[in-house]
Amino acid sequence: NAGVTQTPKFQVLKTGQSMTLQCAQDMNHNSMYWYRQDPGMGLRLIYYSASEGTTDKGEVPNGYNVSRLNKREFSLRLESAAPSQTSVYFCASSEAVGVPYFGPGTRLLVL
Amino acid sequence: GDSVTQMEGPVTLSEEAFLTINCTYTATGYPSLFWYVQYPGEGLQLLLKATKADDKGSNKGFEATYRKETTSFHLEKGSVQVSDSAVYFCALSDRDYKLSFGAGTTVTVRA
Repeated sequence: NAGVTQTPKFQVLKTGQSMTLQCAQDMNHNSMYWYRQDPGMGLRLIYYSASEGTTDKGEVPNGYNVSRLNKREFSLRLESAAPSQTSVYFCASSEAVGVPYFGPGTRLLVL
Repeated sequence: GDSVTQMEGPVTLSEEAFLTINCTYTATGYPSLFWYVQYPGEGLQLLLKATKADDKGSNKGFEATYRKETTSFHLEKGSVQVSDSAVYFCALSDRDYKLSFGAGTTVTVRA
């Protein structure tokens, strides 16, 4: 049972480049989330999806888009990367009313 | 909006010392409260949780009690080990289980 998986583990981008972070869960959870982690700021919610076919903005959505491809997969896209988006990105999933489980994270460096 | 304030680190302790990490929260309604732990280079793991006032969460020797009157959820462990060195995050969740995190407390335990 893999839980929550994320790809890639590490990525370097140049300013202005685009990329998609992938997330998949095999726990049949309805809800999925994208967080970013920055030093001294904890984790901040970027977007979430309460169920397949729905997405909503979190605390820091600017510069990002998401797609809930199906119940298992929830991707995060950076259309034009900026140095301020250098961070560690975590995907999480949970049942409708349950504890979120986190993936291992993606480290992104934007030069 | 909901928010979590936790004791800033870093905290450095000797093995077998007593650990306390303070956490207070602001929320409307009655949130669930969590402590997550992040070991170096890894994602977040749920350490313990409490879903209503006066509940005590416990795991791996760690404990925290949901105190509604003081809006607190302090983490304690009576005798730490080197393997407890990690970053600890206090978090609360709203009705949709969207987590709001504290900034994290880095704990280093020396042999």
